[in-house]
Amino acid sequence: EPEVTQTPSHQVTQMGQEVILRCVPISNHLYFYWYRQILGQKVEFLVSFYNNEISEKSEIFDDQFSVERPDGSNFTLKIRSTKLEDSAMYFCASSPGGGQPQHFGDGTRLSIL
Amino acid sequence: QKEVEQNSGPLSVPEGAIASLNCTYSDRGSQSFFWYRQYSGKSPELIMFIYSNGDKEDGRFTAQLNKASQYVSLLIRDSQPSDSATYLCAVNPSNDYKLSFGAGTTVTVRA
Repeated sequence: EPEVTQTPSHQVTQMGQEVILRCVPISNHLYFYWYRQILGQKVEFLVSFYNNEISEKSEIFDDQFSVERPDGSNFTLKIRSTKLEDSAMYFCASSPGGGQPQHFGDGTRLSIL
Repeated sequence: QKEVEQNSGPLSVPEGAIASLNCTYSDRGSQSFFWYRQYSGKSPELIMFIYSNGDKEDGRFTAQLNKASQYVSLLIRDSQPSDSATYLCAVNPSNDYKLSFGAGTTVTVRA
């Protein structure tokens, strides 16, 4: 069964550094998403991406964050100048269409020191 | 007002029993409703989705939707120890494709 893949599984970074989290969505899916989950808290929406542009973003997704689809398969989340509070699990998801079931990758655990 | 609310639990049920999980949502225009299972330290795994009022069954799982009451539920029949996890209710708000998640209900199935 096709799945969303994310790399790396764990990223440790010093505060102030830039990180790039990578995702390969399911190949025939058109909508891509990033969510995060701080330890012990609920899953929070960050951004959705469709037709090579951001379709929606949350208040969390400020100028520190950016997304890109650099080629036909990868979908990346960049966090510039990381902060301690960016420490969380970051999940990539994809869906065939809007409003359809979203399938999640295994996540990247981001630890900011 | 929280967009999606769930009883946090924990909900403890004996093996073989029915586990009943509830979820309410605030956006009356919401159209799509999902249940995810999340094991500790793992990612959300889709187990059910429902778009129309009524019941939808898939194996041991039944999702129930009542849009008038803004209520969606999940029943797990013949609960197994492997069903022990946190169950997340997620909703697409109206005119929107993001998922708004509840905080989750933790289920423990006692052998």
